[in-house]
Amino acid sequence: QVQLQESGPGLVKPSETLSLTCSVSGGSISNYYWGWIRQPPGKGLEWIGYIYSSGITNSNPSLQSRVTISVDPSKNQFSLKLRSVTAADTAVYYCVRDGGYSSSSSYFDFWGQGTLVSVSS
Amino acid sequence: QSALTQPASVSGSPGQSITISCSGTSTDVGTYNLVSWYQQHPGKAPKLMIYEVTKRPPGVSNRFSGSGSGNTASLTISGLQPEDEAEYYCCSYAGSNLHVLFGGGTKLAVL
Repeated sequence: QVQLQESGPGLVKPSETLSLTCSVSGGSISNYYWGWIRQPPGKGLEWIGYIYSSGITNSNPSLQSRVTISVDPSKNQFSLKLRSVTAADTAVYYCVRDGGYSSSSSYFDFWGQGTLVSVSS
Repeated sequence: QSALTQPASVSGSPGQSITISCSGTSTDVGTYNLVSWYQQHPGKAPKLMIYEVTKRPPGVSNRFSGSGSGNTASLTISGLQPEDEAEYYCCSYAGSNLHVLFGGGTKLAVL
């Protein structure tokens, strides 16, 4: 059973960079797309972006200029960096696996438990 | 980009059936058979219930079913049970420009 676990600071100052890492266990990171989805408190889900195990990435056009997603197959991990954060970036951030094998099918079959990141000075 | 449109809330009694709609456009739901549905209980991560419009992952009850017609996808829950009370989100691939869109969520109350 694949398991995902987010890690990173729970508090980030405005204008700084939010950095999160997702550790994957119970399966290889190879041959799948891995992504990030966030949920502001009391609101709905927002797709941030994803990365294939080879390093190919796609991200939400509304966040693209601030987002970097990277992968480290040797550690079975992938990461998110979101630059120049504001209070609007306060959310629970989930790491996910796209269920399509070797191609994205845009459905997410495994989720991390989520980590709340607050943006505040 | 515009989110997919879902009703804010639906309700039903135990044993009844309900349907949640997810309205998109010809550039997402209407073109790609890549609609998925998620159930989220308070304080928990979402759980995949339906993928590729009609498919059910292993372990998901057959009381949950998905369908699609034109620019609208639907999730039907039959034989409502108290534990079905949750927020439900639809999701669709939206092409190489918009990538992935979510609906705003529907709160299901089992009365």
